[in-house]
Amino acid sequence: LAKTTQPISMDSYEGQEVNITCSHNNIATNDYITWYQQFPSQGPRFIIQGYKTKVTNEVASLFIPADRKSSTLSLPRVSLSDTAVYYCLVGDMANTGRRALTFGSGTRLQVQP
Amino acid sequence: DTAVSQTPKYLVTQMGNDKSIKCEQNLGHDTMYWYKQDSKKFLKIMFSYNNKELIINETVPNRFSPKSPDKAHLNLHINSLELGDSAVYFCASSQAPLGETQYFGPGTRLLVL
Repeated sequence: LAKTTQPISMDSYEGQEVNITCSHNNIATNDYITWYQQFPSQGPRFIIQGYKTKVTNEVASLFIPADRKSSTLSLPRVSLSDTAVYYCLVGDMANTGRRALTFGSGTRLQVQP
Repeated sequence: DTAVSQTPKYLVTQMGNDKSIKCEQNLGHDTMYWYKQDSKKFLKIMFSYNNKELIINETVPNRFSPKSPDKAHLNLHINSLELGDSAVYFCASSQAPLGETQYFGPGTRLLVL
């Protein structure tokens, strides 16, 4: 199973860009990289998913280098409401097999005014 | 409209008791999951069902028994509760198995005394 490593915590200020990097050295060929956001007392919420290069949506961007051994979640111009725990998830998209999904330890982002 | 719901939200019980947590999703998804989140916020998959069939069964004590009466429901029964079972249990669902975007419930906070 692909294991992931993320920084335990990060601090930022409102309006800044925040980049959170996840290492996944053992990522397999079929694995996709997914990021989730979790607020206190809530379940995780999907942010973005990608396989290689760059993916962008209305919430964030995901940068994945050619070797795919890491990925970076980029949050543009964060606000106080972006204070949350961010999880990096690496898993298999195949419909067969019993490949399990492994969440990283999560990065606690604290945004200050 | 609640997409993934869990009951109860809080559960306080004594060691040795047997308890159940229920989960329902109204998204029409085929796959459902149970995750355990400990006090350090590690989120670990326990079970997954696809079309009522067990497809993931991680290293979990056999005191934990999932049951899926239909695609929209996945319940978790825990026998002989132990102190170490105290955690937040999240139910999730996805359209397809393993790796697709997952939608999480609000969690059930279990405290074993």
